[in-house]
Amino acid sequence: GNSVTQMEGPVTLSEEAFLTINCTYTATGYPSLFWYVQYPGEGLQLLLKATKADDKGSNKGFEATYRKETTSFHLEKGSVQVSDSAVYFCALSDQGQGAQKLVFGQGTRLTINP
Amino acid sequence: GAVVSQHPSRVICKSGTSVKIECRSLDFQATTMFWYRQFPKQSLMLMATSNEGSKATYEQGVEKDKFLINHASLTLSTLTVTSAHPEDSSFYICSAMVTSGYPYEQYFGPGTRLTVT
Repeated sequence: GNSVTQMEGPVTLSEEAFLTINCTYTATGYPSLFWYVQYPGEGLQLLLKATKADDKGSNKGFEATYRKETTSFHLEKGSVQVSDSAVYFCALSDQGQGAQKLVFGQGTRLTINP
Repeated sequence: GAVVSQHPSRVICKSGTSVKIECRSLDFQATTMFWYRQFPKQSLMLMATSNEGSKATYEQGVEKDKFLINHASLTLSTLTVTSAHPEDSSFYICSAMVTSGYPYEQYFGPGTRLTVT
């Protein structure tokens, strides 16, 4: 079955540091890939997405590239801010599976210190 | 656009009672909505897929008689936790699927924190 594996957290960085959160996936088809962010006490917000190999999703300074050869979708940001502190979830959906269920990774808690 | 609301945001109920959580798509219609459960510091676990006008599809291990789902209209799905017990305490999140683009996207509600005493 489909699955998503994220690097374990928590991750703590200083403001303006470079961020990478690793995400790898296993899928039988050709999934779309997503990064969601969850701020404390809130639901999930879509951060970025990519639908095919070599696509790069980007938003708010975050980027992730769909790498089919390494089955990865690592999240990066060049200079993090305190406001980026949140839990980040990598997810995939297999468009060929009817209801387009999302399969989530375990989440990575990110804390940015000033 | 694509805003999803949940009500209530927090609820405390006594063991043995039932509680209903509403999920509404505010500015779009959603044939399909999803219900998730999230334990502290853990990922989201899909509980069921809610389809307007038909029975919900439950994931393996989820008790359908305990977690009643009704998708009565294209903008409203409800989750009723029946005969709640302390182990049902959790953060429940719904999402609504937008099918106008590719890939289909899910927009999430802000979640409902249920505490059963």
